[in-house]
Amino acid sequence: EAAVTQSPRNKVTVTGGNVTLSCRQTNSHNYMYWYRQDTGHGLRLIHYSYGAGNLQIGDVPDGYKATRTTQEDFFLLLELASPSQTSLYFCASRYWGVNQDTQYFGPGTRLLVL
Amino acid sequence: QQKVQQSPESLIVPEGGMASLNCTSSDRNVDYFWWYRQHSGKSPKMLMSIFSNGEKEEGRFTVHLNKASLHTSLHIRDSQPSDSALYLCAASSQGGRALIFGTGTTVSVSP
Repeated sequence: EAAVTQSPRNKVTVTGGNVTLSCRQTNSHNYMYWYRQDTGHGLRLIHYSYGAGNLQIGDVPDGYKATRTTQEDFFLLLELASPSQTSLYFCASRYWGVNQDTQYFGPGTRLLVL
Repeated sequence: QQKVQQSPESLIVPEGGMASLNCTSSDRNVDYFWWYRQHSGKSPKMLMSIFSNGEKEEGRFTVHLNKASLHTSLHIRDSQPSDSALYLCAASSQGGRALIFGTGTTVSVSP
């Protein structure tokens, strides 16, 4: 099965702090995504990318930056973290081929902003 | 407003029973649906996808799609305690680059 890894798995920071969440996929998938998951809101799309150097804005981008440095690596940056960004963050990569279209999720990063 | 709406929010099913979950998109451009399952403390994993009108069956899981009403449903027969999870519906338009997820249905299977 496709492999997506995330680091760190847990992170605690203070309001105003600087946080970088990392995601790596070894599937050679073009598309990668960052979501946040909160009770009552489901999975909400923050940013996504369809290749190295490309960045697309999702549905809840405010307060987040992202960068896709290589085919494998996609980073999510919180430069001035706020308590409202306390959440569970998932990265995903997407295989989009003939008669198949599947997203594979990483294990998630739990972020607490105090 | 949420573009993908799921119902019910939660569901209790007796072991061996049938669970039925619903999902509707308000975006007329949507034509591809997925169902994901997420066990507590885990990441979502795809169960099934559908883009043609009609029905698709895989084991105990059956998915229906009505493209005219943009409605899909997931049915789990012979429900097992291991089916207890959050079920997420996602939708995308043809050529769409991002999946939009609903808020999910929590299924609890009681022994």
